[in-house]
Amino acid sequence: EPEVTQTPSHQVTQMGQEVILRCVPISNHLYFYWYRQILGQKVEFLVSFYNNEISEKSEIFDDQFSVERPDGSNFTLKIRSTKLEDSAMYFCASSEIGFNTGELFFGEGSRLTVL
Amino acid sequence: AQKVTQAQTEISVVEKEDVTLDCVYETRDTTYYLFWYKQPPSGELVFLIRRNSFDEQNEISGRYSWNFQKSTSSFNFTITASQVVDSAVYFCAEGGTSYGKLTFGQGTILTVHP
Repeated sequence: EPEVTQTPSHQVTQMGQEVILRCVPISNHLYFYWYRQILGQKVEFLVSFYNNEISEKSEIFDDQFSVERPDGSNFTLKIRSTKLEDSAMYFCASSEIGFNTGELFFGEGSRLTVL
Repeated sequence: AQKVTQAQTEISVVEKEDVTLDCVYETRDTTYYLFWYKQPPSGELVFLIRRNSFDEQNEISGRYSWNFQKSTSSFNFTITASQVVDSAVYFCAEGGTSYGKLTFGQGTILTVHP
């Protein structure tokens, strides 16, 4: 069964460092997303991406964050200068359709710990 | 604004009991979608169901059933004859016409004891 894969599964970094989280969406999917879950809290939308540009972003997704699809398979989330409050589980997701919110397939998550 | 409320923070049951997880949503969209996801201890988000706002038929899938009531803006989830493997955090979510933007509830921690 096709799945969304994420790397790394866990990353520990020092405050102020840049972090790149990687995702390989399901191959025929066109819409890509990042969500975040701070430990013990709800899952929050960060950004959606379609046709090589951001479709929508939340207020969490400030200038420290960026997304990119550098090639035909990867979808990355970059945090330019990490803060303690960026510690969370980051989920990548993809879907065949975006409008009318199709089924989102989530990856297993990348846990980011900022020290 | 979109909001999803799961009033039950934690539920604890004994195996074979039935359990219902409540979900109440608020949305300004006329067309919207409702979801349930399961998050087991391993952390991934497992899709359970997606319903659109035009389809109020209840749905059953094995031991799982969902009751969508538009009049009360609720989308409740029932597990019949619960099992220990059902222990997880369950999230209800709502999505409208924004591209894949789901609004999640706070989650309900379900613990099923043997």
